[in-house]
Amino acid sequence: AQTVTQSQPEMSVQEAETVTLSCTYDTSESDYYLFWYKQPPSRQMILVIRQEAYKQQNATENRFSVNFQKAAKSFSLKISDSQLGDAAMYFCAVDGYALNFGKGTSLLVTP
Amino acid sequence: DTGVSQNPRHKITKRGQNVTFRCDPISEHNRLYWYRQTLGQGPEFLTYFQNEAQLEKSRLLSDRFSAERPKGSFSTLEIQRTEQGDSAMYLCAVGGGSTDTQYFGPGTRLTVL
Repeated sequence: AQTVTQSQPEMSVQEAETVTLSCTYDTSESDYYLFWYKQPPSRQMILVIRQEAYKQQNATENRFSVNFQKAAKSFSLKISDSQLGDAAMYFCAVDGYALNFGKGTSLLVTP
Repeated sequence: DTGVSQNPRHKITKRGQNVTFRCDPISEHNRLYWYRQTLGQGPEFLTYFQNEAQLEKSRLLSDRFSAERPKGSFSTLEIQRTEQGDSAMYLCAVGGGSTDTQYFGPGTRLTVL
């Protein structure tokens, strides 16, 4: 069974600052993908970034980057230069035959 | 635009009624997934299709739930004899391929009174 733990129910960041969202996971697979999805209020789930577990290099996507520590089974998301539009629920997920999601972190961005 | 539409977007029904939701991928995707999301939680897997074949079903999918993907394109999810505990957002996602990335539709919010 796969499990995903997001230990921060809520986080707050000021505009233009940097914030890191934590995620740990457990899987018995040797090769897998990890994802961060963003879900704005009353809007659909959007892919933020994807990491392939066999790649040591951390994925980056514009202002979003991950810190992937395979041995520690840790997959944190860093958001740089935070913008008001980044406010949303952020879900970490690991794939099996389907995605297993954490409970999410609610990110508040203050002016 | 992720290329997945879901209808209806909202459904209010009385306990005991049957409801059906539809998921329409705009382009072809081998895999189609259904998830359920309750307030304050992450999505939970219900079932998935590889083309028209239903390959996995979660234990969450009781015998009141049935899903189909008759031609390997759109899919329907039916809930019979709805219960208040069925109130949730029902999400459809499509994906597959080498990266296993899934793209989600906007969801159908079900409220059972």
